[in-house]
Amino acid sequence: AQSVTQLDSHVSVSEGTPVLLRCNYSSSYSPSLFWYVQHPNKGLQLLLKYTSAATLVKGINGFEAEFKKSETSFHLTKPSAHMSDAAEYFCVVSAGITGGFKTIFGAGTRLFVKA
Amino acid sequence: NAGVTQTPKFRILKIGQSMTLQCTQDMNHNYMYWYRQDPGMGLKLIYYSVGAGITDKGEVPNGYNVSRSTTEDFPLRLELAAPSQTSVYFCASSYSLSSTYEQYFGPGTRLTVT
Repeated sequence: AQSVTQLDSHVSVSEGTPVLLRCNYSSSYSPSLFWYVQHPNKGLQLLLKYTSAATLVKGINGFEAEFKKSETSFHLTKPSAHMSDAAEYFCVVSAGITGGFKTIFGAGTRLFVKA
Repeated sequence: NAGVTQTPKFRILKIGQSMTLQCTQDMNHNYMYWYRQDPGMGLKLIYYSVGAGITDKGEVPNGYNVSRSTTEDFPLRLELAAPSQTSVYFCASSYSLSSTYEQYFGPGTRLTVT
């Protein structure tokens, strides 16, 4: 079975400080993991993905995430927040199952950035 | 290159009315998806398609229908709209059905049923 849990529904940081958005997952198979960002009234945009290559994945806009199998985590980080980072972030797990694959979206974490 | 486009952006329906949400992609992707997003929840898969003429149910298909007559278009039909269908609907496409490929999303349609 697959599941994904985003541990914080809201995160608030000051501009210029680090960002940490936490994601835990479970999967019976080797999963692919994704982070998507959704700005207000927009569709989801891919930030980065992990597909069994390097465990530290770099994405767009200075974000990165580390796949930790022992902790079943895929936390998203950024060294220095910018006002334009304010958005909703979704952690997604996807894995093959008999006859296809299954994709599960986390509930989302809303990031607030204070000036 | 427009990517995935959806129309309309907003719609208000009365209970019992029907409507079609349009979705078009210009990336020549075979795989297309419809999701709904409810407040505080992740996206839930309604239907998906692996190519023209082939569709299958996702997690929450009740009250919806789809068709896929061309590679580009994947309309979602709501029959007998109900308040429970108030949501934001996203269409997406991907190059492959493999779990390793990301999906490309449209901007969404915000639907209110009253």
